[in-house]
Amino acid sequence: AQSVAQPEDQVNVAEGNPLTVKCTYSVSGNPYLFWYVQYPNRGLQFLLKYITGDNLVKGSYGFEAEFNKSQTSFHLKKPSALVSDSALYFCAVRDETGRRALTFGSGTRLQVQP
Amino acid sequence: DAGVIQSPRHEVTEMGQEVTLRCKPISGHNSLFWYRQTMMRGLELLIYFNNNVPIDDSGMPEDRFSAKMPNASFSTLKIQPSEPRDSAVYFCASSLSRGITDTQYFGPGTRLTVL
Repeated sequence: AQSVAQPEDQVNVAEGNPLTVKCTYSVSGNPYLFWYVQYPNRGLQFLLKYITGDNLVKGSYGFEAEFNKSQTSFHLKKPSALVSDSALYFCAVRDETGRRALTFGSGTRLQVQP
Repeated sequence: DAGVIQSPRHEVTEMGQEVTLRCKPISGHNSLFWYRQTMMRGLELLIYFNNNVPIDDSGMPEDRFSAKMPNASFSTLKIQPSEPRDSAVYFCASSLSRGITDTQYFGPGTRLTVL
């Protein structure tokens, strides 16, 4: 069975500093990995995904994520955090077996302080 | 594009009542997913449709839950009878299926409270 772990319930970072939100996964075969962001009382917004190819994936709003197969990780990063980045971030995985449902992590709340 | 549309945005009902949640996927998308979000269980898939046909309903909690997709632009999730433990945010998502690498786009959700 596939699973996703987001080890930090909350990440605090000062505005202008780099941020990292961690994600590790477990799947059979090749993983397809996704990051979504959820603002209060809103649905999930797609940020980026890794399917194949370059291990560094660039997405919306200046976010990027690095796929590391040996560490089974897909950490979300941004070079300079904004207060408006404060939200709940979800990592999700799908395996290559064909079941198209996403398995989500528990979410990490990012708090960017001015 | 208007994105995925869900209605109502909020629903408060009493235990035992029937609840119907509605979803309009993004035009042209051929896959539709219903997820539920709770504090205890996080985000979990209930059911998904491909070309209006239910493909995987293994996440549907019990017979009280049912979902339909009568056409490509409309889906319903019904709970009958509702129970307090059904209180959650229910999300609908859609995608254009080109295999398993497609991206799911989520609606704003329906917050259901069962008293």
